[in-house]
Amino acid sequence: QQQVKQSPQSLIVQKGGISIINCAYENTAFDYFPWYQQFPGKGPALLIAIRPDVSEKKEGRFTISFNKSAKQFSLHIMDSQPGDSATYFCAATDSNTGNQFYFGTGTSLTVIP
Amino acid sequence: ETGVTQSPTHLIKTRGQQVTLRCSSQSGHNTVSWYQQALGQGPQFIFQYYREEENGRGNFPPRFSGLQFPNYSSELNVNALELDDSALYLCASSPAIGTGGETQYFGPGTRLLVL
Repeated sequence: QQQVKQSPQSLIVQKGGISIINCAYENTAFDYFPWYQQFPGKGPALLIAIRPDVSEKKEGRFTISFNKSAKQFSLHIMDSQPGDSATYFCAATDSNTGNQFYFGTGTSLTVIP
Repeated sequence: ETGVTQSPTHLIKTRGQQVTLRCSSQSGHNTVSWYQQALGQGPQFIFQYYREEENGRGNFPPRFSGLQFPNYSSELNVNALELDDSALYLCASSPAIGTGGETQYFGPGTRLLVL
């Protein structure tokens, strides 16, 4: 059973455009939602994370929007650049147990120059 | 820079063999989690170690086992390797649980190929 569902599977965006990746979860105990960026041959790198007490968090060109009632959260990459081309994973965990991160299936982003 | 290191980077084994993968945590982190990432998939949680004790396990058979040492480095052992064990194995470290410990920092992974 997929605890976190991610879409789209792949995304192609023009340079300067906005990339949007969506995730949905079922477990209401989840209270920490990170996004990871992974380049080929590398481990996932933490990009930005949010807790459900806020609806939005912005760090530079990256923004997480969080909808607690819908159990959905999304990553927005503003002014997308070719260097942003990577695979993006959303994840969720119950920080009270602190152990298991549930990852989405990933979105392969390609930013065309 | 995460500070999490893993060895070896690549490994080729045959079915039925045993393998040991190693991980050094980021400085100051005493919690280590291991994940299996199949090609084109998200990481799947194998287990976590906190202060040398197993602290949660995912849906993996007992032939996947681990250790954490007093210096918080860790090993993942897989016995009786199967073809489906071919994957990228990721180690992630985090600060103590409950102290912002939910943030996990990943190493570069070990690519295991089982023939």
